[in-house]
Amino acid sequence: DAKTTQPTSMDCAEGRAANLPCNHSTISGNEYVYWYRQIHSQGPQYIIHGLKNNETNEMASLIITEDRKSSTLILPHATLRDTAVYYCIVRVDNDMRFGAGTRLTVKP
Amino acid sequence: DTAVSQTPKYLVTQMGNDKSIKCEQNLGHDTMYWYKQDSKKFLKIMFSYNNKELIINETVPNRFSPKSPDKAHLNLHINSLELGDSAVYFCASSYTQWDRAYEQYFGPGTRLTVT
Repeated sequence: DAKTTQPTSMDCAEGRAANLPCNHSTISGNEYVYWYRQIHSQGPQYIIHGLKNNETNEMASLIITEDRKSSTLILPHATLRDTAVYYCIVRVDNDMRFGAGTRLTVKP
Repeated sequence: DTAVSQTPKYLVTQMGNDKSIKCEQNLGHDTMYWYKQDSKKFLKIMFSYNNKELIINETVPNRFSPKSPDKAHLNLHINSLELGDSAVYFCASSYTQWDRAYEQYFGPGTRLTVT
């Protein structure tokens, strides 16, 4: 079973930042936080991951709270193509458990 | 292009038949996986193979059997297909290291419909 809690759905205006929250209050010290997304019926796409520090790449930023019990994925300038289901996953090994995710809809 | 590829993209078959789905990755990864996404859109891991060894085997029926001829391929064989096997099946691959988890890269999926 997934060890994370995410809102079922969110909307975001095109060009604005999309902030997607995730709660993982039972995360253990060696578990990473991973974010994936699935656009329509395509295969899930890796976005970013982190352990303790905030991370940034060309797709997004990941902010992890100091106690590591929650995190936020930030898409700085959302486009219509970012409409997808976003999954937050905590894991330490290859056993990756997907929850229901957050359905993000970017609106013009 | 470097990627994870699957064939076929669509597969329609009748109950009781035996079918296979092929997966290939050219990313140099040492671990490959099969996931099932049902009609409710939940993604569940079925198998993973690392260096030709099965390291995760969820509670899937033994009608499903993964076959890995080499590190770059992990095929999924399904015997005696049932209506409930209808789903989208995704292949994925990653590196494996004992002390950390690596990102997994997914294929485009195979939509299996059993009639």
